[in-house]
Amino acid sequence: DSGVTQTPKHLITATGQRVTLRCSPRSGDLSVYWYQQSLDQGLQFLIQYYNGEERAKGNILERFSAQQFPDLHSELNLSSLELGDSALYFCASSVAPSADTEAFFGQGTRLTVV
Amino acid sequence: LAKTTQPISMDSYEGQEVNITCSHNNIATNDYITWYQQFPSQGPRFIIQGYKTKVTNEVASLFIPADRKSSTLSLPRVSLSDTAVYYCLVGEGGFQKLVFGTGTRLLVSP
Repeated sequence: DSGVTQTPKHLITATGQRVTLRCSPRSGDLSVYWYQQSLDQGLQFLIQYYNGEERAKGNILERFSAQQFPDLHSELNLSSLELGDSALYFCASSVAPSADTEAFFGQGTRLTVV
Repeated sequence: LAKTTQPISMDSYEGQEVNITCSHNNIATNDYITWYQQFPSQGPRFIIQGYKTKVTNEVASLFIPADRKSSTLSLPRVSLSDTAVYYCLVGEGGFQKLVFGTGTRLLVSP
């Protein structure tokens, strides 16, 4: 158990809908990262937050948005869903956003868009 | 952002030592080299991290030459449960994007 909690574990929804994925980082971790992993594909970095502020952005679609709340949990919002958005979405956390800290990953949310 | 290059796949047998090399020619002075392991449908798991020379922990060793343009993850005496994808990451210092490359798919056979 990494200490990072993601909910829900599975989500099935229809095209055009909107969903919210939730991530609770490890206790004490201030940095949260979001990733998308499609079937048999690599991990695509989406966005990073540190202590409530957006700090780095990857290939995140405009239909996607995220935020980190004062209690440090984070949410990833996916809207106008398309079939191609079906993927595993991972959240990771680390105590600091620097290159020498270990990141801990959650078990992911599997999103299926039908 | 330092780009990394790893072999797409490797095969090994139980009990053998496996060495996976990662190239990162554009590594910056303050970049660290980190390796993660990922099993199917699970989140990646940190294996080891280093800056220079050699780092060893209970599961692996990381060898980094003086020029730091490459690194080698060494897994001693692999078992079937080491079958996974291994990612090499090079941190860009400061706020870390944690960008994963394509990784190396290691298959360990009996």
